[in-house]
Amino acid sequence: DAGVIQSPRHEVTEMGQEVTLRCKPISGHDYLFWYRQTMMRGLELLIYFNNNVPIDDSGMPEDRFSAKMPNASFSTLKIQPSEPRDSAVYFCASSLTEKYLRGQYFGPGTRLTVT
Amino acid sequence: DQQVKQNSPSLSVQEGRISILNCDYTNSMFDYFLWYKKYPAEGPTFLISISSIKDKNEDGRFTVFLNKSAKHLSLHIVPSQPGDSAVYFCAASPSGSRLTFGEGTQLTVNP
Repeated sequence: DAGVIQSPRHEVTEMGQEVTLRCKPISGHDYLFWYRQTMMRGLELLIYFNNNVPIDDSGMPEDRFSAKMPNASFSTLKIQPSEPRDSAVYFCASSLTEKYLRGQYFGPGTRLTVT
Repeated sequence: DQQVKQNSPSLSVQEGRISILNCDYTNSMFDYFLWYKKYPAEGPTFLISISSIKDKNEDGRFTVFLNKSAKHLSLHIVPSQPGDSAVYFCAASPSGSRLTFGEGTQLTVNP
């Protein structure tokens, strides 16, 4: 399996622009997670889905952030409008079960820079 | 409110010696703990985990210790190797639901 695939790997955009990050989970996995990594706060869970349905979005920082999972093999995280403080590495992860007996599988991340 | 804290941003050890990475948590509902390792430009990868019903779990060179009364866990790597140089995140979960991660500790193993 190719693992979790994220695109783009790097994104540089200007403040106020819309940003869309994409994720393809591992085939057969029924949980998908979006995380944000910053120096100050480490890895923070933004939202997670089970069978394409959002379960917990309490980590989404503001209404500017939205996430969708239209099917089992694709998810997007959108920021509109983007702000410099959104600059971070965004990770997507998937797992076969919510019971993290062997952990989640992470993608390589998208490094977002908002100028 | 940081429920999982790794107070040491960095740690440097000599090859062959023991590396000890520490993690503290505040939420008494956490009952499952994991360590992840992250290399630059890659996503974190699962390393080892422990359930709250145990106080130790070992996997090769890696051992995780859990002290529930102190709400503290640690990861021991013996012997340390240069390839172990990475950022290590501890994470905790209440009853198998969402993971809460610490800030990470950068481990450098010097040859």
